[in-house]
Amino acid sequence: AQSVTQLGSHVSVSEGALVLLRCNYSSSVPPYLFWYVQYPNQGLQLLLKYTSAATLVKGINGFEAEFKKSETSFHLTKPSAHMSDAAEYFCAVSDRRQGGKLIFGQGTELSVKP
Amino acid sequence: KAGVTQTPRYLIKTRGQQVTLSCSPISGHRSVSWYQQTPGQGLQFLFEYFSETQRNKGNFPGRFSGRQFSNSRSEMNVSTLELGDSALYLCASSLEGFEQYFGPGTRLTVT
Repeated sequence: AQSVTQLGSHVSVSEGALVLLRCNYSSSVPPYLFWYVQYPNQGLQLLLKYTSAATLVKGINGFEAEFKKSETSFHLTKPSAHMSDAAEYFCAVSDRRQGGKLIFGQGTELSVKP
Repeated sequence: KAGVTQTPRYLIKTRGQQVTLSCSPISGHRSVSWYQQTPGQGLQFLFEYFSETQRNKGNFPGRFSGRQFSNSRSEMNVSTLELGDSALYLCASSLEGFEQYFGPGTRLTVT
């Protein structure tokens, strides 16, 4: 069975500071991993994905994530936070043998202070 | 290219009624997945349809059902609504089921 754990339901950073959102996964097979962002009253927007190519993945809006198999982690980072980054972020895992089903973490709400 | 669309965006129903939600995927996408989002349970997978066949199913009661048409549009039906069915229902489309693109969701309120 697959699962995702996001450490910290709320993270607060100052504008311009480093953003680090943590995600650990459990999977019996090599996974595909994703980060999504959700703004209030909207659907989920795909930020980036890991599908077994480069372990350092770059996404939209300056975000990136590194797949570390030994640590079963896929943490999301951004060097400098903007006010517009305030949203909820979800890490998700998929079984690469068969698509269609994403298992999500509980989400991390990011606040950005001016 | 147009994104995923969901109709209606908001819905209020009474306990015991049934409801049908609609999802139009991105053109060319054959997979449509449905998710339920609630504050308590988070995002939970309902089911996935691929080329008109249900390929994956989550752990929801039989009151939750779906279908997919030949043009890849999908509908989700919930019968005998309960208060706990109040949620944001999201659909997502993809080519093969992996890189999923989400619609804006349908907010269902059951009173």
